[in-house]
Amino acid sequence: DGGITQSPKYLFRKEGQNVTLSCEQNLNHDAMYWYRQDPGQGLRLIYYSQIVNDFQKGDIAEGYSVSREKKESFPLTVTSAQKNPTAFYLCASSIAGNSLYGYTFGSGTRLTVV
Amino acid sequence: EDQVTQSPEALRLQEGESSSLNCSYTVSGLRGLFWYRQDPGKGPEFLFTLYSAGEEKEKERLKATLTKKESFLHITAPKPEDSATYLCAVREAGNTGKLIFGQGTTLQVKP
Repeated sequence: DGGITQSPKYLFRKEGQNVTLSCEQNLNHDAMYWYRQDPGQGLRLIYYSQIVNDFQKGDIAEGYSVSREKKESFPLTVTSAQKNPTAFYLCASSIAGNSLYGYTFGSGTRLTVV
Repeated sequence: EDQVTQSPEALRLQEGESSSLNCSYTVSGLRGLFWYRQDPGKGPEFLFTLYSAGEEKEKERLKATLTKKESFLHITAPKPEDSATYLCAVREAGNTGKLIFGQGTTLQVKP
């Protein structure tokens, strides 16, 4: 079945450490997105990519980095510069343009600073 | 600036007690309004897309409607399994495909 796979489901980060969240899709979607979700807040866009080897900053990109070397993969690195990284991270993909279905989401990664 | 506001933040219903969730939006040229359901610790699941004022979509006990300024998600005779957070989003103007999300409404249906 086609879908988006995020891993790991739970991730713990020590102070000063970089960690990478994986996102893989087999839907043949062109566009991929990373959102952060905090309690009581809506989803906030971190980065997005519409084609391979190209990506743009979202509303809260500081302290994060991404790459898009393959159409299927859009990993997110949470760097030590992100001072409050504890959150639920969601990866999504869509057919570029006016998709009737908006996004397809992964199951999320919960990141906790220890 | 494009904006989406959902109300109420939380809603508690008894099983069988119908109600509505509201999604107000401000966007320069609506290119799609989306409803998602999110269970705790999981990613959102797609429910509906609405494109033009007057449009309605239904799925089981859920019915979504759209006006020029807001959308409603009507829940008829809810069951405990309808308990979840319901997210509303609009597509941003331009060709990025980006969705702008509201804060969500957390629905609890008690048996």
